[in-house]
Amino acid sequence: AQSVTQLDSHVSVSEGTPVLLRCNYSSSYSPSLFWYVQHPNKGLQLLLKYTSAATLVKGINGFEAEFKKSETSFHLTKPSAHMSDAAEYFCVVSPRGGSYIPTFGRGTSLIVHP
Amino acid sequence: GAGVSQSPRYKVTKRGQDVALRCDPISGHVSLYWYRQALGQGPEFLTYFNYEAQQDKSGLPNDRFSAERPEGSISTLTIQRTEQRDSAMYRCASSALPGQGAYEQYFGPGTRLTVT
Repeated sequence: AQSVTQLDSHVSVSEGTPVLLRCNYSSSYSPSLFWYVQHPNKGLQLLLKYTSAATLVKGINGFEAEFKKSETSFHLTKPSAHMSDAAEYFCVVSPRGGSYIPTFGRGTSLIVHP
Repeated sequence: GAGVSQSPRYKVTKRGQDVALRCDPISGHVSLYWYRQALGQGPEFLTYFNYEAQQDKSGLPNDRFSAERPEGSISTLTIQRTEQRDSAMYRCASSALPGQGAYEQYFGPGTRLTVT
């Protein structure tokens, strides 16, 4: 069994300030973990992924995430928010065994104020 | 190159009608997934294929839902006798390699289904 918990449904930041979107997971198998972003009326786009190599993963647009096995977390961060970062963000756990079916979190809406 | 495409983008149908939703994956991609996304929720797995073989359909809500991918490329998700609760965004994604959890998925824009 696996699950994903995105701890905040909404996160509001000012432009130029750091972003932290939190994600905790559980998985019976060693997982791959992903963050996707969804802009309004667009499809989901991959931001970054962890697949058992380096635990600190860098993605597009200045985002990065750190895989912490002891905390079962995969939080997404960015040092300085930009207005264009306003979107819905989804954390995904995908087992590398068993059913191979990905599980999405409920999403976190990032609001960026000027 | 071309991404994942889905058609129609919007579908309004009356309760009791059948609908067919189409997904055209990235050329050469082996795996194809179908998801349903309710408003304010993340995508929920429905079914997936490797090539033409349906690997898992455990997420299909009931036997009114079916999917096929007869030639290992385009896929169709069919909903028979639609009900209002079927209204949602239906998303398709493809992956270059067989679904072993490690590979990223490329998503289409989705089909917004409204059942009146």
